[in-house]
Amino acid sequence: DAMVIQNPRYQVTQFGKPVTLSCSQTLNHNVMYWYQQKSSQAPKLLFHYYDKDFNNEADTPDNFQSRRPNTSFCFLDIRSPGLGDAAMYLCATRPHIESPDTQYFGPGTRLTVL
Amino acid sequence: ILNVEQSPQSLHVQEGDSTNFTCSFPSSNFYALHWYRWETAKSPEALFVMTLNGDEKKKGRISATLNTKEGYSYLYIKGSQPEDSATYLCALRYTDKLIFGTGTRLQVFP
Repeated sequence: DAMVIQNPRYQVTQFGKPVTLSCSQTLNHNVMYWYQQKSSQAPKLLFHYYDKDFNNEADTPDNFQSRRPNTSFCFLDIRSPGLGDAAMYLCATRPHIESPDTQYFGPGTRLTVL
Repeated sequence: ILNVEQSPQSLHVQEGDSTNFTCSFPSSNFYALHWYRWETAKSPEALFVMTLNGDEKKKGRISATLNTKEGYSYLYIKGSQPEDSATYLCALRYTDKLIFGTGTRLQVFP
């Protein structure tokens, strides 16, 4: 089945040690999103891509970077994780900018920072 | 800053009970309202997308309504089953972005 896949599902890192989360999709969707959800909070958009066009949210910390080498893959890099970056990270896709369709989500990666 | 609110934060019901929860929002100037169901260890799954005032959608025992004039959407579950246990998220779509609420966590006990 076509889907959005996130690896790993659980990631433990140390304070300040760079970490990369990955997302892949077999839907051939043009738009990809990264969300952060902290405990008991709403998922919050970090950034998104229209194809290779990167769009950063104004309040996303500089510590968070992203790469999209091709349509299928998107990576979230956290350069120096702090304790406050512990969260669930969700990847989502949508067919294209004008699509009225919903977003399709992966199962998330839960990040723990020690 | 747009604020999407969901209530209650959590809900515990017995199998067979019907239940409903609310998503409220301050503005009618959005493209669509989305409901998602998010079971533990799974991907959030789209339930409904609603765009028009008065929209009603139904999927099995689950239905939703939208009132854009007064700024709320209700999600109803008729005859709750243990497999309905999940977090239910609503989100408003502005252009190509979703603004989420914090969700309602539903637990259905056998």
